Amino acid sequence: AQTVTQSQPEMSVQEAETVTLSCTYDTSESDYYLFWYKQPPSRQMILVIRQEAYKQQNATENRFSVNFQKAAKSFSLKISDSQLGDAAMYFCAYRTTNAGKSTFGDGTTLTVKP
Amino acid sequence: GAGVSQSPSNKVTEKGKDVELRCDPISGHTALYWYRQRLGQGLEFLIYFQGNSAPDKSGLPSDRFSAERTGGSVSTLTIQRTQQEDSAVYLCASSLVYGGDYGYTFGSGTRLTVV
Repeated sequence: AQTVTQSQPEMSVQEAETVTLSCTYDTSESDYYLFWYKQPPSRQMILVIRQEAYKQQNATENRFSVNFQKAAKSFSLKISDSQLGDAAMYFCAYRTTNAGKSTFGDGTTLTVKP
Repeated sequence: GAGVSQSPSNKVTEKGKDVELRCDPISGHTALYWYRQRLGQGLEFLIYFQGNSAPDKSGLPSDRFSAERTGGSVSTLTIQRTQQEDSAVYLCASSLVYGGDYGYTFGSGTRLTVV
């Protein structure tokens, strides 16, 4: 079974600084998808960024980028120029190409200090 | 609709009572997912519907939990004889057929409190 591990329950960053959230996963598949979701206090989960495992190029969405290391099964999220609105719980998720469900990590709570 | 709608947003029930949670997915989304999120924890998969295929019920924790999806649209998650450990936020998400490859669209969840 696939598992997703987020080893940092809590992280904090100063406004305008950069922070990296860690995620590792376990799978025997060669093709799959990885995601980072953001969950603010409103509870609404929002997709931040996705990565296709067969693409070596790291995904980037504005201030959000990933460091995807397929051999190491690592998928970290870098947030640059952190803003107060980035404060939320962040979840890493894994999905195979032929299964409906995604497997989520336990989340990392990010605090942004002004 | 414009987004995934869940109702009620909050539900307090007495132990032993049955509850129904509703999810209205985005129009045209054929895939629908239910997840449970206990306080401060990650998302636990419950059940997945895809079109007219048999649902993947592998995540339902006990036979007290059931779900149905009528007309390929609205879904209802039913918990019978609720227990205190059922207290959690129940999240619903939807996607296009293979849209799950591009991530899910989530609702705001139903916070269930069993007293």
